[in-house]
Formats: sequence, C-alpha cells, structure tokens
Amino acid sequence: GQQLNQSPQSMFIQEGEDVSMNCTSSSIFNTWLWYKQDPGEGPVLLIALYKAGELTSNGRLTAQFGITRKDSFLNISASIPSDVGIYFCAGPKSQGGSEKLVFGKGTKLTVNP
Amino acid sequence: NAGVTQTPKFRILKIGQSMTLQCTQDMNHNYMYWYRQDPGMGLKLIYYSVGAGITDKGEVPNGYNVSRSTTEDFPLRLELAAPSQTSVYFCATSRGAATQYFGPGTRLLVL
Repeated sequence: GQQLNQSPQSMFIQEGEDVSMNCTSSSIFNTWLWYKQDPGEGPVLLIALYKAGELTSNGRLTAQFGITRKDSFLNISASIPSDVGIYFCAGPKSQGGSEKLVFGKGTKLTVNP
Repeated sequence: NAGVTQTPKFRILKIGQSMTLQCTQDMNHNYMYWYRQDPGMGLKLIYYSVGAGITDKGEVPNGYNVSRSTTEDFPLRLELAAPSQTSVYFCATSRGAATQYFGPGTRLLVL
C-alpha cells in the first residue's frame, strides 16, 4: 500500500534552534496534513495543505506542499520545550472505494532547555 | 463541546478476556475510525465507519469487531485478548476523510 516516509526518525535539539522535518511518498497526494502528538495524548492537527506549492504558517510552524505533490516539509522556528512530541505527516488515499488517511511513522522531537 | 471522548483511559486484561473500548463524539461527524499505535510506530487503521450502520475493515482488523448504531458512538470490541493487542488505541472522527480529530486514547495492556 501507499507509504509515507518521514525523516528524521528523531531529533534532539536545544531550545531556540530551528527544526526541519520532511515527509515523502512514491505516489501523489492531493492533501498533506501535519499532526502533533504530545506525550500521552492523541494527535492534534497542526496544518493542512491542499495545493501543490502551498506554504502555510501556524505561529512558529510553517509547512509546505511540495511541487511534485510527493513530499511535504514542516519547519519549527525558535523551538521551545513544549514543542516536544511526535510529529506525523498524513495524506488521504482512496482504498477499497473509500478515502482513508495514510500516516507516516513520525518524527520524535526532543527539546533540551 | 467535548469533541471525541474515549473510555477507559487505561485497562489491564488477562489473555482470553474480552472488553469494549468506547468512543463517543459530539461533533456530528459521519466518519469515525479506530487506530492502534504501537511503541515507536505510526497509526494503523483497525476499522472505520462512514455513517451509522456502515462499517468496514482497515489495515489490521483481525481480533477486533465494531458496530455503529448511532452517529455518536463507535465501540471497538476485543473478544479474546492476546498479548499482541497490547497497544494504545485511538478513536478519530472527521466530516470528510482528510481532517481527522482524535480522542485522548485508551492504553491497553494484555498479560
């Protein structure tokens, strides 16, 4: 089935640093979603991208929908301790006559104060 | 609005026991989903529903059953718990397939 490959798998950074992570696929997606999962919680939607080349910001977070529609990037500027968590990319795919979300395995972010 | 509510938060089961994980939403969404998340892994779809009375299998349905008698509720049933079902279970809802809203999860340990 379709897979989303996220990199890096984990990151250890100092507070204040910028962070960049990406998500790639061998197939085209028409929507890219970025979720964050805080420790012990369910994933929460951060940013949704609907158009190739689109660049969307949410506070210190910026995400881009790749021109090829096979990748997406998430950047976090000036990281703070509460940015700790797992970041998942996801995209909807038609499977078996209905549309379902495909998730990457996540990028685990650790921020050292 | 409570959004998506899951109960219980945590449960320990013995091998062979059964239980039902509850999921309730007050967002009036047609789509509901059950995922499991194993340590260090992403989310795997167990079952989903596109509306009351309609359910379908996801990627990993074996060992689970679901029902959808109302828009609000989508319980997940484990009939014969196995250690391989130790995981964190998330329920999610959406208006369409793309933007899903997740519950807080149920942590299940099967011993």
